[in-house]
Amino acid sequence: AQTVTQSQPEMSVQEAETVTLSCTYDTSESDYYLFWYKQPPSRQMILVIRQEAYKQQNATENRFSVNFQKAAKSFSLKISDSQLGDAAMYFCAYTSNYQLIWGAGTKLIIKP
Amino acid sequence: ETGVTQTPRHLVMGMTNKKSLKCEQHLGHNAMYWYKQSAKKPLELMFVYNFKEQTENNSVPSRFSPECPNSSHLFLHLHTLQPEDSALYLCASSQATGGAGNTEAFFGQGTRLTVV
Repeated sequence: AQTVTQSQPEMSVQEAETVTLSCTYDTSESDYYLFWYKQPPSRQMILVIRQEAYKQQNATENRFSVNFQKAAKSFSLKISDSQLGDAAMYFCAYTSNYQLIWGAGTKLIIKP
Repeated sequence: ETGVTQTPRHLVMGMTNKKSLKCEQHLGHNAMYWYKQSAKKPLELMFVYNFKEQTENNSVPSRFSPECPNSSHLFLHLHTLQPEDSALYLCASSQATGGAGNTEAFFGQGTRLTVV
């Protein structure tokens, strides 16, 4: 079965510190894309970062970066210099044909 | 604002009511989706429309009926729902479907549905 596992239902981090959210997935496909989405209290799901599975280089987007380990099927998100506005639910997902397969999410709390 | 608008934002309905959720996108996308988001569960894909044609129905009960009159609009018609259908219903759009799906999905803010 195609699954995405986010083992941390909730994480907290001090403002300005670094936090890493974990994600593992299970697919037999060789060509796919991986995503991290953020859903703040406003409920708007927003793309944070995207990784193409055939690229070895880890994607980065300002304070957000990923650690993509294809063999291990691991796709963690690192947030540096955490800000209060980073507080949200974070969802990991990957593409399978035309569908996005989603994890259950990690709630990130930022402590001022 | 991502260019995907959902109305209403909140909806409370009785089990015998009929209501509709509306989604509109102004991004020129040709694929639209309905998702159900329940607490502490992964997003559940309900329906996919590609160029106005329904290409996916993930075993959704018939009390949910989608309609896609054009590439910019998507509706979800609701009738005789159950309390367990209470959830956040998210609409999304993307440029294309198929293949490795390298396109980003843009989401609306969702409709919080409560069935009483």
